[in-house]
Parts: sequence; C-alpha cells; structure tokens
Amino acid sequence: SQQGEEDPQALSIQEGENATMNCSYKTSINNLQWYRQNSGRGLVHLILIRSNEREKHSGRLRVTLDTSKKSSSLLITASRAADTASYFCATDGGNKLVFGAGTILRVKS
Amino acid sequence: EAGVVQSPRYKIIEKKQPVAFWCNPISGHNTLYWYLQNLGQGPELLIRYENEEAVDDSQLPKDRFSAERLKGVDSTLKIQPAELGDSAVYLCASSPPDRYNEQFFGPGTRLTVL
Repeated sequence: SQQGEEDPQALSIQEGENATMNCSYKTSINNLQWYRQNSGRGLVHLILIRSNEREKHSGRLRVTLDTSKKSSSLLITASRAADTASYFCATDGGNKLVFGAGTILRVKS
Repeated sequence: EAGVVQSPRYKIIEKKQPVAFWCNPISGHNTLYWYLQNLGQGPELLIRYENEEAVDDSQLPKDRFSAERLKGVDSTLKIQPAELGDSAVYLCASSPPDRYNEQFFGPGTRLTVL
C-alpha cells in the first residue's frame, strides 16, 4: 500500500517557470524524501527533510514539511527541460520507505 | 563508484514461464531491497535483506515469488510461474549499514508477460 499521495498527477510547464508538487501522507513520520525518476531509469534521491524541519533547500529545490497537516511540497525553481521526469515522495515506515504514486513533470523548451 | 547493477534490463516471456532477475548492489551496502513498480505508480517493497537474511518479506507473494542473497552480496528474484499481472518494472536498491534512508536504485528490469 502507498502512504504518500502526490498532487497533481501530472504537470506541464514552460522552461524557466517554477514547478510545485505536493505530497500528503497518513501516519506520523521521522522524515520524508523526494526522488526523481527519468523515463526508463531507476530513482534518484533528491532531498530528505526530517520531521523537526520545516524547510530545506538544495540548489534549485526547495522542500517544505508541515507535520500538522501531514503534507510536504517540492518546489523546483527556474525549471529546465532536463527536469522532465516523475517525482515521488517517500516516507519512512520502520526501516523501509513507502512511496507515493508520483507526479509526472514535463518541462517544455 | 559503480552503482546498483541489474540484469536483464528488459524481459519478455509468455505466461506460466519462469523468469529471474539479478542485482549487484553497491560495494559495502549490506542492505538490499527489491521493489515492484507498476505503470503509473511508485515502487512498492517486495523484500528487504540485511546481509543474507530476509528481514522483511511480508509483501512478497510467496506462492510464485522467491528471492535469495546467498553470500550477502548479489541477489536474485524469481517468479515461477509468471502471470499477466506480473508485468511491471522490478527495481533493486541498496543502502549502507544502518542508513536505510540512503537508498540507491538500479535501473530496473522491465518485465512483460504475454
């Protein structure tokens, strides 16, 4: 079963625009991660945010976490065509990760 | 540093046939995971190994799926017999000792059952 639910399911933007994806989860967590998956490839870890953190940055990525609402958002600023991929949130479920269904991002050049 | 290696990358078989997937984790990573990823979904854990011990196989359909990691390094996931619904991508991942949050994924094996 998948704990995380990403929103939207799909997103199409122009190069240079910002992309925001949201993730909601059901149970309490120790941390939440975001992964990227390019077509036909494995998942690549992007960023981890701990339950006691509210915001974290990594390059063009900004992640927020609201544990009271059980939700997180991933913002990609100044998007590039190479950012086209599926993005998944994953929550820790006792020594294992539980992934959501993902958001498909398409960045048009 | 080499990443997680999986083979084959693609496999097409007819239903009721057996199939096996192989995974070589990153050197030094004692934890190995097999995930199933259906089209349009996120990965779902099938089995987790700590060295050669399967510590979580609760989601592995044991009537037709089996896995092994005999020497605590490479692992094989087998399906026998395969069903149409097994068509999916099978991902292998590994993580360093006691750092299950740092999972590194292989490219996956895309299985098509006809």
